[in-house]
Amino acid sequence: NAGVTQTPKFQVLKTGQSMTLQCAQDMNHEYMSWYRQDPGMGLRLIHYSVGAGITDQGEVPNGYNVSRSTTEDFPLRLLSAAPSQTSVYFCASSTTGGYGYTFGSGTRLTVV
Amino acid sequence: KNEVEQSPQNLTAQEGEFITINCSYSVGISALHWLQQHPGGGIVSLFMLSSGKKKHGRLIATINIQEKHSSLHITASHPRDSAVYICAVNEGGADGLTFGKGTHLIIQP
Repeated sequence: NAGVTQTPKFQVLKTGQSMTLQCAQDMNHEYMSWYRQDPGMGLRLIHYSVGAGITDQGEVPNGYNVSRSTTEDFPLRLLSAAPSQTSVYFCASSTTGGYGYTFGSGTRLTVV
Repeated sequence: KNEVEQSPQNLTAQEGEFITINCSYSVGISALHWLQQHPGGGIVSLFMLSSGKKKHGRLIATINIQEKHSSLHITASHPRDSAVYICAVNEGGADGLTFGKGTHLIIQP
């Protein structure tokens, strides 16, 4: 049982490049979410999904796009990377109602 | 938006000491989570609380819904407990977690 799998673990991008952070879970959780973690700021919600075909914005959605075509996958797209998006990104899944969160191992992204 | 405050921000203690980390929040919640993050590591869920008290090994978590306050206790602390402990709240399930900034705990041998 893999839980939540995030790829890649590390990535360096140039300003203006685009990329997709992958997130997959095998627990049949309806709810998935993306967070970014910055020093002194704590974790902040970027986007979330309560099921396939349904997504919504969190606290810091600008510059990011998501889709949820299947229950298992919830990719996060950076449309045009900026240095301000340098951060550690975590994907999480949970049961309906937001209980019992499981986090991925994180993606450390540097935008230069 | 819920405001989640943790204290202390940093805590250094000697092995064997009893540790308490506090968390307060501003708006009613459906659940509170305590998470652990080791340096450079992922995030592990320790507890989810909606009322009362939970215990797992040397860790104890309590919550007082009326006072909007939770505590995480570590008994007989050990250097392997050194980590960042994060409090997070869920206001109603679908809209994600709101996090505190974390408490950086160092247990010295």
